[in-house]
This record gives sequence, C-alpha cells and structure tokens, in this order.
Amino acid sequence: EIVMTQSPATLSLSPGERATLSCRASQSISNNLAWYQQRPGQAPRLLIYGASSRAIRIPARFSGSGSGTEFTLTISSLQSEDFAVYYCQQYNNWPYTFGQGTKLEIK
Amino acid sequence: EVQLVESGGDLVQPGGSLRLSCVASGLTFSRYAMTWVRQAPGKGLEWVAATSERGGSTHYADSVKGRFTISRDNSKDTLYLQMTSLRAEDTAVYYCAKVNGYEYMDVWGKGTTVTVSS
Repeated sequence: EIVMTQSPATLSLSPGERATLSCRASQSISNNLAWYQQRPGQAPRLLIYGASSRAIRIPARFSGSGSGTEFTLTISSLQSEDFAVYYCQQYNNWPYTFGQGTKLEIK
Repeated sequence: EVQLVESGGDLVQPGGSLRLSCVASGLTFSRYAMTWVRQAPGKGLEWVAATSERGGSTHYADSVKGRFTISRDNSKDTLYLQMTSLRAEDTAVYYCAKVNGYEYMDVWGKGTTVTVSS
C-alpha cells in the first residue's frame, strides 16, 4: 500500500497570504494525484487531478505541481472560503490512499 | 447537474449488517466507475471500495475486504455497499463518489452516517 504523508498538519495564515501544502508518496506515483478540499460539515470537493490540472469551476488561485513522490498544492491569495481541510489522494495503485489532511486555519 | 444521494445509514449493533445505497442522477450512470469513501468522526478520508462501469471489476481496502461488498444496478442508476460483520471502527460517514476514468473522484454525495454500537 502506498502511504501518503501531508505536511504540515495545520497551517495558520491570514487572508491574502499564499498557502503551500505538501504531499509525499512512499513510492513513485507518476502524476496520478488528486487534491480535495473539505469544508466543515460538507463533502469533499475535487480541486486538482493529474497533479496539476484544475477541476471544473475551481478558481485559478489554486494550483498543483509535482510528480513522482513530491507534490504541492498552492493557493496564491487566500480567501475566507479557502480555510478548510485539504487531502491528497493517489490513484496510481490499488488500494487508493489518502493523506491524513492539512487543516488550513485563519491566523 | 450530476447528483449522488446516499441512504441506508443507521445505528447497528456490532456484528450486524447494513446495506447502503447511492442513487445517481444527471449522468449516464453505466459509463462511470463508482466508489465509496468513509470518514470516521473527527478523522480523515478513507477509501473503502470501487467498482468498474459494469461491475465486473471491484477493489477493496484491506480493512473491509471479506466483510463489505460493492455492487451496482445500472438499470436503477444505483450503487450499493453491503456491509456485514460490522465493527465499532466502521462507524463513519459513508460517501459515494463518481470516479473519472477509474482514477479520481470528481462528484461526491453528501454522505450517510453509519454508527456501530451496542
């Protein structure tokens, strides 16, 4: 099983700041990585797939990068609605696996 | 608009069984792989099971293999998760999700809650 490790566990930033979230895979997954956002009390929402492709209706301030084992989700200028939990997920191998999540909170 | 609506969650005793359903609308259901993902209270996301477009191929997390069965009825646009030998650690919100190309999950339902407790 591929283990996905996200860092940091919690990120405290202010609106307007830039957020950088990291995700590491225990073995190479090429670019078979997705990022999801989950707001409190809501279902997850797809943000990024293929490591760097934005999903439909996702604002341009969200971007993804990386390949192999190291991946990054960047939010260029935080809006109030962006404070949430973010998960990475690999779909290179079965079983699919998620990272443990990064909570993005208001500083 | 694509919608997924889960149902069937309940309070069940340890060792019991439950069947979850997920009804899809706004899409040609038979063209897409589908999956179940769960989230224990206060915890992260855990992938549970997936099925191919026609149900001929299925995959399971080790934590549920042999106890849970994923299936689908394309004539009813419905995905199922049959859960048996339930344990306290199966307590979670269960989401169904549409899988794009048998890869990432691009549409999610709102979830149904399963509580396993005596």
